[in-house]
Amino acid sequence: QQQVKQSPQSLIVQKGGIPIINCAYENTAFDYFPWYQQFPGKGPALLIAIRPDVSEKKEGRFTISFNKSAKQFSLHIMDSQPGDSATYFCAASNLIGNEKLTFGTGTRLTIIP
Amino acid sequence: DVKVTQSSRYLVKRTGEKVFLECVQDMDHENMFWYRQDPGLGLRLIYFSYDVKMKEKGDIPEGYSVSREKKERFSLILESASTNQTSMYLCASSLPRGPGYEQYFGPGTRLTVT
Repeated sequence: QQQVKQSPQSLIVQKGGIPIINCAYENTAFDYFPWYQQFPGKGPALLIAIRPDVSEKKEGRFTISFNKSAKQFSLHIMDSQPGDSATYFCAASNLIGNEKLTFGTGTRLTIIP
Repeated sequence: DVKVTQSSRYLVKRTGEKVFLECVQDMDHENMFWYRQDPGLGLRLIYFSYDVKMKEKGDIPEGYSVSREKKERFSLILESASTNQTSMYLCASSLPRGPGYEQYFGPGTRLTVT
């Protein structure tokens, strides 16, 4: 049962462009939406996270946009760099209930110079 | 820095063997998790543990068991390895829920079952 749907599966963007990765969820009890970044040979690491009481959160070049009514959230990377090439996972959790994270299927992002 | 270590980066086992994957975290975290990562399927939770000797099934527990005898160590056991258990296995740990909740991942163990 896929509770968090992520797209696209892969994405190639030129340096300086703005890649956008989208996720949609079904469970309205989710109250925490993190994005994890994974480089080859490494485990995923938390990049940025948002709670549903705000519609946008920025940390450096990374922005999460959140649409509660549509049950969608997305990651935008401003001024993308080759070093941003990685696999990105969205996730969702009901932290009031438990600390389980439900992950999306991942997006392999390649930034070309 | 939080460190989560996994006993092996690569492991090759034969069908039917009993396999142990070990995970150790050094930050006194209460929660520990085991995931498997497969292309196109993302990360899927196998088991998690909220405390020593406590465990709960995740989304895909079939064919796996776990052991947590000490707070810092969480073991994943494949009782009788099968080829469909060939995968990347990731361990993670976290503090209990709260602001800035984060799971910290180890580097993974790539298991091949032949």
